Amino acid sequence: DVKVTQSSRYLVKRTGEKVFLECVQDMDHENMFWYRQDPGLGLRLIYFSYDVKMKEKGDIPEGYSVSREKKERFSLILESASTNQTSMYLCASSLWGQGSNQPQHFGDGTRLSIL
Amino acid sequence: GQNIDQPTEMTATEGAIVQINCTYQTSGFNGLFWYQQHAGEAPTFLSYNVLDGLEEKGRFSSFLSRSKGYSYLLLKELQMKDSASYLCAVMDSNYQLIWGAGTKLIIKP
Repeated sequence: DVKVTQSSRYLVKRTGEKVFLECVQDMDHENMFWYRQDPGLGLRLIYFSYDVKMKEKGDIPEGYSVSREKKERFSLILESASTNQTSMYLCASSLWGQGSNQPQHFGDGTRLSIL
Repeated sequence: GQNIDQPTEMTATEGAIVQINCTYQTSGFNGLFWYQQHAGEAPTFLSYNVLDGLEEKGRFSSFLSRSKGYSYLLLKELQMKDSASYLCAVMDSNYQLIWGAGTKLIIKP
């Protein structure tokens, strides 16, 4: 089974802090994704990556950056956390490169609160 | 713009059948996914449809009509453990997933 592991289930940070969310997958997937999930809204894509050192902006990249130095690891960075970034963050991975119709496999999520 | 619509919440009885609808308007179509998400947990993949018709997987079936921009997830012989949110997602012409807000399904004894 695919395992996607997010470093923290719950995280509380202060406004203005730099926040790192880590995600590791163990199935050698090329594609990795970061979403946020808020009540009443669908999953919204922040950033995604099709390969090491490669990144693409999703629908809501403002205030975020990412890093993919190794194939199995995809990090999300909140450069200067703000209260409107309080949310559930989900990492996902999938097989193949661009154009894939393979299902995405998700981690358990990190519930981030910015005070 | 791109849009996925599904009911916010549905209630059904244990042992019964429930149909969760999803309508979509997207720029292009490269398949439709259904995911299940229990409260506080990760979404898990249920089904994928790219051609019209019904795909059956045990108690769960998923139907697609591309001409109508419509899909449904059918759950039979409902069990209490089926209480969850069900997410519909469409892959558009750029192979990006567009997600619905999800349908919270409540199962009553």
